[in-house]
Amino acid sequence: KNEVEQSPQNLTAQEGEFITINCSYSVGISALHWLQQHPGGGIVSLFMLSSGKKKHGRLIATINIQEKHSSLHITASHPRDSAVYICAVDNSNYQLIWGAGTKLIIKP
Amino acid sequence: DTAVSQTPKYLVTQMGNDKSIKCEQNLGHDTMYWYKQDSKKFLKIMFSYNNKELIINETVPNRFSPKSPDKAHLNLHINSLELGDSAVYFCATGSSADTEAFFGQGTRLTVV
Repeated sequence: KNEVEQSPQNLTAQEGEFITINCSYSVGISALHWLQQHPGGGIVSLFMLSSGKKKHGRLIATINIQEKHSSLHITASHPRDSAVYICAVDNSNYQLIWGAGTKLIIKP
Repeated sequence: DTAVSQTPKYLVTQMGNDKSIKCEQNLGHDTMYWYKQDSKKFLKIMFSYNNKELIINETVPNRFSPKSPDKAHLNLHINSLELGDSAVYFCATGSSADTEAFFGQGTRLTVV
C-alpha cells in the first residue's frame, strides 16, 4: 500500500462543476502539499498545509490531521483548471512522499 | 524575479558523459530538493538537503550527486550518463515555516 493515496486517479467534469480531489496518507507528517502540473510539465505549488483550511481564489484545501486526510476543492471549475493535481507529504525527515496524481479534465 | 531557477532547461548529451544541472533559489528557504519525473509522469524524490544535512533516496544510483556550494544553490551532478537517465529533473525549495513550496521549471535531460 502506498504511503500517499489519491482519489480519483482520473476525473472528467463539465465547466462550472464543483471538483473534489482526495488524499489520504499513512505516515506522520509535518506538512502536506497540493501541486498542479500542467501538460507542459511545469509544476506550481498550490498549498502547503499543516492544519485547518486554506483558500486561494477558487481553490480550497483542507486537512484533517487526526484522520490523515486532505481534500482539494475547485469551485466553478474552468477548462484552464485541467491539469494533474498531486498531493505530497513532508514526513519530517526532509523527505516528500508523493501521491500518484489526479488527472483532471474540465470540458467546456 | 524567478524564485527557483534551473539551468539549463534542455540538455542533450551522449552516453558516458558527465553533466551538471544547476539550481538557485532566492527565497531564503532552508531545504532544497531534487526530483526525477519518470515516464509515468510521477515525481520521485532523489535528494533533500537541509542545513548541510543530505538525505538520499537509497534507490538513486551513486552516479548522481548533489552539491551545495551555499544555501542558495543545490546542483545535481551526474556521472557516466546512461540512456535510462533521460527524464525531466525538478529542483524545489521548502521552508520549515508554514509557507508554500516552490519548484523550478524543470530540466529535460535526453541521453543519446
